[in-house]
Amino acid sequence: DVKVTQSSRYLVKRTGEKVFLECVQDMDHENMFWYRQDPGLGLRLIYFSYDVKMKEKGDIPEGYSVSREKKERFSLILESASTNQTSMYLCASRPGTGDVGRETQYFGPGTRLLVL
Amino acid sequence: AQSVTQLGSHVSVSEGALVLLRCNYSSSVPPYLFWYVQYPNQGLQLLLKYTSAATLVKGINGFEAEFKKSETSFHLTKPSAHMSDAAEYFCAVIKGSGGYQKVTFGTGTKLQVIP
Repeated sequence: DVKVTQSSRYLVKRTGEKVFLECVQDMDHENMFWYRQDPGLGLRLIYFSYDVKMKEKGDIPEGYSVSREKKERFSLILESASTNQTSMYLCASRPGTGDVGRETQYFGPGTRLLVL
Repeated sequence: AQSVTQLGSHVSVSEGALVLLRCNYSSSVPPYLFWYVQYPNQGLQLLLKYTSAATLVKGINGFEAEFKKSETSFHLTKPSAHMSDAAEYFCAVIKGSGGYQKVTFGTGTKLQVIP
């Protein structure tokens, strides 16, 4: 069964802290994604990666960085957390065959982050 | 650039009634379109997708969507709502061309099913 796991379901951090969100997929997928989800705004893409050590900025990369040292793991880093980064963070993965319209994107359960 | 618009952030239906969730896309070329569902405290799950093979697409849990090019719409329907359908639904489209195409999501519609 397809699985995308995220290291935490809930996190509470303080302003200025460095925050790591981890995502692991067990499907040998090439592509991995980080989104944030906010009420009324839907899902917005932060960063994505199409291969190990490769990354591309999404629509809202400011204040975030990512790391992909191994194919199965994609980390989102908040260098200095701020209150406006309080949100739900969703990780996803996709095979990466090139025909993206025919691929299914699989999501993790999400991490709800509260920055105080 | 391709995008989707979901009309209605909240929709309420009675159990057993028709479910209709609206999605319109903007595209200059035939797009790939998706509907995802998010149950409370869970990630998103693919309901169905349109890939130009057929205009009426059937998905899981009795949902279906019809691609109408003349109306640039891809509305999601289910003939009879069930309590378990209460969730948030997202329409999505492929954005970009060539290279690394990304999925762009609508703002979501929360479906409430009233007993």
